[in-house]
Amino acid sequence: QKEVEQDPGPLSVPEGAIVSLNCTYSNSAFQYFMWYRQYSRKGPELLMYTYSSGNKEDGRFTAQVDKSSKYISLFIRDSQPSDSATYLCAMSLSGSARQLTFGSGTQLTVLP
Amino acid sequence: ETGVTQTPRHLVMGMTNKKSLKCEQHLGHNAMYWYKQSAKKPLELMFVYNFKEQTENNSVPSRFSPECPNSSHLFLHLHTLQPEDSALYLCASSQGSGTAGNTIYFGEGSWLTVV
Repeated sequence: QKEVEQDPGPLSVPEGAIVSLNCTYSNSAFQYFMWYRQYSRKGPELLMYTYSSGNKEDGRFTAQVDKSSKYISLFIRDSQPSDSATYLCAMSLSGSARQLTFGSGTQLTVLP
Repeated sequence: ETGVTQTPRHLVMGMTNKKSLKCEQHLGHNAMYWYKQSAKKPLELMFVYNFKEQTENNSVPSRFSPECPNSSHLFLHLHTLQPEDSALYLCASSQGSGTAGNTIYFGEGSWLTVV
């Protein structure tokens, strides 16, 4: 079993839709959770960073962590074509940058 | 512009060639990383350098040889690679590598094809 599972997609949605991206994990000790966005032929960039359980909102993006279910989500409201990218979840025990465990990414296309 | 610059962006090499990937960070960070990204697979951490000292080598084959002359520059020397080594190689940096909350910044990557 992989430590972090992420549906690779591809996922296509119409512009304006609410997008839900998810990851499940097996290690209950993970405390720090991140979402990265990776545009085609670019490196990943940090989108959201959360600690422990709960929600965090930043503009159209909401990150949600449910530690009891070992499940994290990223919601994108009013999705735009510019949101088309691969979204990677990542998590770590200590928050240390060298101990990140990544999901394999979900490819999202927002159709105009 | 992410502050982490990688060259070359694309590289095609034969299995007997020797080539190098270069990374430079302009963020004043102390830690630098090499990751490998293959299609449909999670990012794999290869090497970590903290203040020019290698602190992590995740069982990477010796045909990959990192070099970190200072905190701003990182190289990955490649020799006698295999076709399965074809991937996107990402350099990254952060302010320290062992402290919670340190954000990692990635470069745009070097696409490597081994023929």
